[in-house]
Amino acid sequence: AQKITQTQPGMFVQEKEAVTLDCTYDTSDPSYGLFWYKQPSSGEMIFLIYQGSYDQQNATEGRYSLNFQKARKSANLVISASQLGDSAMYFCAMRGGPYNTDKLIFGTGTRLQVFP
Amino acid sequence: DVKVTQSSRYLVKRTGEKVFLECVQDMDHENMFWYRQDPGLGLRLIYFSYDVKMKEKGDIPEGYSVSREKKERFSLILESASTNQTSMYLCASSLSRGGGINQPQHFGDGTRLSIL
Repeated sequence: AQKITQTQPGMFVQEKEAVTLDCTYDTSDPSYGLFWYKQPSSGEMIFLIYQGSYDQQNATEGRYSLNFQKARKSANLVISASQLGDSAMYFCAMRGGPYNTDKLIFGTGTRLQVFP
Repeated sequence: DVKVTQSSRYLVKRTGEKVFLECVQDMDHENMFWYRQDPGLGLRLIYFSYDVKMKEKGDIPEGYSVSREKKERFSLILESASTNQTSMYLCASSLSRGGGINQPQHFGDGTRLSIL
């Protein structure tokens, strides 16, 4: 069965510093996709970045990058130059399977707090 | 931009009531999903739908039903609300069934439901 594990319930980072949020996954499928979402206190889920299992390079989107280590089954989110507005819950999610069911499996999330 | 709109941000109901949560998306997406979010548990899939009048159970369908009479609208129904259904409910949509593993799901702002 597919599973996503986020072992950091909470993280603190100082403004302008970089921070890494951990995500490990478990799947036996060769084809899968990994997503990161941000959820501010207002509640909406914002899609940040995607990494495919066959992608040769790590995904990047502005200040977000994904440290994808396939052999270790990890897909850590790196936020560079943290801003106060980055304070939020962050969820790692996976999609895949032989029939590409469109469903996402989510981790339990990491609460990031950025301080001045 | 994709817009997913949930009818209420906050809702308070009483045990035994029949509760309707409405979700509308404006981008002609085929797939729609209902999740509930609880602290420490992440997002768990309740039901999803690939097309009008089609529905499939997710991981925690007990106590819930859904309706999809029009492509843009997906309703979650609590047949007889109970206190253990107090939670944050999130609706999402994605483009098409099997339409690419890199398709993100787009979320609404969520409904915080309290059952008294």
